[in-house]
Amino acid sequence: EDQVTQSPEALRLQEGESSSLNCSYTVSGLRGLFWYRQDPGKGPEFLFTLYSAGEEKEKERLKATLTKKESFLHITAPKPEDSATYLCAVGGAGGTSYGKLTFGQGTILTVHP
Amino acid sequence: EPEVTQTPSHQVTQMGQEVILRCVPISNHLYFYWYRQILGQKVEFLVSFYNNEISEKSEIFDDQFSVERPDGSNFTLKIRSTKLEDSAMYFCASSERVAGEETQYFGPGTRLLVL
Repeated sequence: EDQVTQSPEALRLQEGESSSLNCSYTVSGLRGLFWYRQDPGKGPEFLFTLYSAGEEKEKERLKATLTKKESFLHITAPKPEDSATYLCAVGGAGGTSYGKLTFGQGTILTVHP
Repeated sequence: EPEVTQTPSHQVTQMGQEVILRCVPISNHLYFYWYRQILGQKVEFLVSFYNNEISEKSEIFDDQFSVERPDGSNFTLKIRSTKLEDSAMYFCASSERVAGEETQYFGPGTRLLVL
């Protein structure tokens, strides 16, 4: 069974204070690792897909990296508008379906001005 | 920018009643999903759908649940006899697969409250 664990559960930063969020996973054949942002009462908003160890992707102040066991979401010089819950999900290659995503609990990020 | 839409945004129903949640996936996508998120908990997979049939379903997706693509644009989730524990946010997602790569795009969700 695929499993995803995110840490920390909550993270409070000052504006401009860089940090990283962790996503540890176990999966039977990684099809892809996905990062989403979720605002309160909203649906997950796609950020990144990573497919293989060593891969990195960047978007504005966010950078996602992937190893064989975990992924990091690095936030550089965050702003208050980066405050949200960040979700990590994995798609495994096992099972009858290619598409099922298994999500972590999320990290609640709060950035104070 | 294309997006997944869902209706209604909120639904309140009595226990035992039937509800239908509706989704309009992104137009060129062929793979469709329903997930749910109970307040304060993880997003959980319910079902995947492709080529007019279910590809995979979770243990949550029992005989009370069904999905349908009644026409070329809508994708629905029906709960036949709602229970209190069905109260949750329900998210529809859609995707396309290109060269083995796939990203699921989620709708804004329907908040279902069963009384």
